[in-house]
Amino acid sequence: EAQVTQNPRYLITVTGKKLTVTCSQNMNHEYMSWYRQDPGLGLRQIYYSMNVEVTDKGDVPEGYKVSRKEKRNFPLILESPSPNQTSLYFCASSPYTGVAGELFFGEGSRLTVL
Amino acid sequence: SQKIEQNSEALNIQEGKTATLTCNYTNYSPAYLQWYRQDPGRGPVFLLLIRENEKEKRKERLKVTFDTTLKQSLFHITASQPADSATYLCALNDDNQGGKLIFGQGTELSVKP
Repeated sequence: EAQVTQNPRYLITVTGKKLTVTCSQNMNHEYMSWYRQDPGLGLRQIYYSMNVEVTDKGDVPEGYKVSRKEKRNFPLILESPSPNQTSLYFCASSPYTGVAGELFFGEGSRLTVL
Repeated sequence: SQKIEQNSEALNIQEGKTATLTCNYTNYSPAYLQWYRQDPGRGPVFLLLIRENEKEKRKERLKVTFDTTLKQSLFHITASQPADSATYLCALNDDNQGGKLIFGQGTELSVKP
């Protein structure tokens, strides 16, 4: 089944404790992206990647890191999480790298930073 | 400033009626506009994409229009069903930002039996 898989789905952590949210897609898509979704603010892009070893900042990259060592994986790293990073996170992929076509989203990872 | 605005209030309609959701944008130059459905606690799911040179697109009970003069897209669900209850997101590809996809905040639709 074609899908984008994120882990963990739920996580409660404390300020400053490094964490990684994994994202993997099995559709051989070139484009991958991370979004956060907050009430009243909608979906905001954190980072995106057009291809392996190519990553770029989105609208809200502060406090996050990403890597794209393999085509299928695009982990999101929070080196020193803070409470304002409490949010619902979505990973997405697309077969298009230019003007984006449809995005395929994962099920989301709900992160709480205490 | 740049804005994408969807109906801020939830839309409540009766089963069988047509639901119409609005997406207005300001200071963007979209080549494409997309609509997604999102159920509570789930990731958005792609529904339809319409290009700037297309006036209307249909898929089963769904219809999308795109008016670049009014800077508006309308999303219609005909013969609505309770299973259509969800939040609907519009998203546009901004030509001036390398085609980046930008999302509206979504409109919550509730279809009552």
